[in-house]
Amino acid sequence: DQQVKQNSPSLSVQEGRISILNCDYTNSMFDYFLWYKKYPAEGPTFLISISSIKDKNEDGRFTVFLNKSAKHLSLHIVPSQPGDSAVYFCAASAGNDYKLSFGAGTTVTVRA
Amino acid sequence: DVKVTQSSRYLVKRTGEKVFLECVQDMDHENMFWYRQDPGLGLRLIYFSYDVKMKEKGDIPEGYSVSREKKERFSLILESASTNQTSMYLCASSRGTSRYTGELFFGEGSRLTVL
Repeated sequence: DQQVKQNSPSLSVQEGRISILNCDYTNSMFDYFLWYKKYPAEGPTFLISISSIKDKNEDGRFTVFLNKSAKHLSLHIVPSQPGDSAVYFCAASAGNDYKLSFGAGTTVTVRA
Repeated sequence: DVKVTQSSRYLVKRTGEKVFLECVQDMDHENMFWYRQDPGLGLRLIYFSYDVKMKEKGDIPEGYSVSREKKERFSLILESASTNQTSMYLCASSRGTSRYTGELFFGEGSRLTVL
């Protein structure tokens, strides 16, 4: 049973607009959350993370929001650029755990 | 530039064959991981290792084994390949000997097809 869920398999957005990717989790022990980006034929690369002691973390065009009570996080990309077209994975870890649990991914397509 | 290198990008094997997937990292990381990526399922953890000669089962270890004889190298072994092991296999590494403290660095992946 997947503990990290990305319910939208795909998202299409116009260049310059905002992309919002959503992620829900079921394990209340998760306290560290990450987003990864993956291009075809490449491995995933780290994008941004957030600890459960925060509700927002920003890095340039990327912002992650965490709502612990709703067990929900989101990734905002503003403004979206063609190079942002990729698969985005949400991931989470719990306490003293080496492992990351990943969602199924959301494919983002940025239209020119 | 930090690097995780997987030995084979594409492999085609027959059912019942023994398959070795090799992974080497040059970052002196303690932790190494093997994931498989399948459409609609995301990345699922097969095995991981937090030290040389140490290994832990992930979420889907059945049909797989691993070996970590040196810190920089982590091998995934399919003792008898089956068609349901056709997948993209991703190796990753991370720092830290206890609490997970940083992000994973991934290799480019090995696309395995079992006929």
